[in-house]
Amino acid sequence: DVKVTQSSRYLVKRTGEKVFLECVQDMDHENMFWYRQDPGLGLRLIYFSYDVKMKEKGDIPEGYSVSREKKERFSLILESASTNQTSMYLCASSVRSGKDGYTFGSGTRLTVV
Amino acid sequence: SQKIEQNSEALNIQEGKTATLTCNYTNYSPAYLQWYRQDPGRGPVFLLLIRENEKEKRKERLKVTFDTTLKQSLFHITASQPADSATYLCALDLTGGGNKLTFGTGTQLKVEL
Repeated sequence: DVKVTQSSRYLVKRTGEKVFLECVQDMDHENMFWYRQDPGLGLRLIYFSYDVKMKEKGDIPEGYSVSREKKERFSLILESASTNQTSMYLCASSVRSGKDGYTFGSGTRLTVV
Repeated sequence: SQKIEQNSEALNIQEGKTATLTCNYTNYSPAYLQWYRQDPGRGPVFLLLIRENEKEKRKERLKVTFDTTLKQSLFHITASQPADSATYLCALDLTGGGNKLTFGTGTQLKVEL
């Protein structure tokens, strides 16, 4: 069964900490994405990547960065965590065209205190 | 600006009935539209994709229609079951590239016995 695996289901971090969220896919997908999901706001795209070492900003990239050193791994970095970054973070991957749908991970619920 | 609209009110229906969910979009004509299911605390799961030249698509008890003139997609679940209770999201690529999805906020469906 194909999978997108996110390293943590729940995470609690302190304000100002540097936070790493890891995502690994085993489907040899070219595209990988990071979304955050908040009540009433739906899923919002933070960053995405179409290839190794390539990244593009999504709709809400401020306060975040990403790294894609290997095709299967896409990391989201919160440079200095703030309370307004408390959210559910979802990683997804897809084939290059995107037309077979996205495969999502189970999500990481991050709480910044 | 580009928008995707789904009814934010929960839809409650009786088991065995057909559930119909609506997705409206503005200012754009996407090449295709996708539907996802999301259970609480989990990532969305891809259900169906419908292309702009397809009026209707079916998969088991699911049926999706796509009216590019009305800028609307309808998602039907026939013979609904309590296990169909979830939030359903529509998504489309507003950039035209075909591989960067924007999601609606979803409609929660509750199927009652």
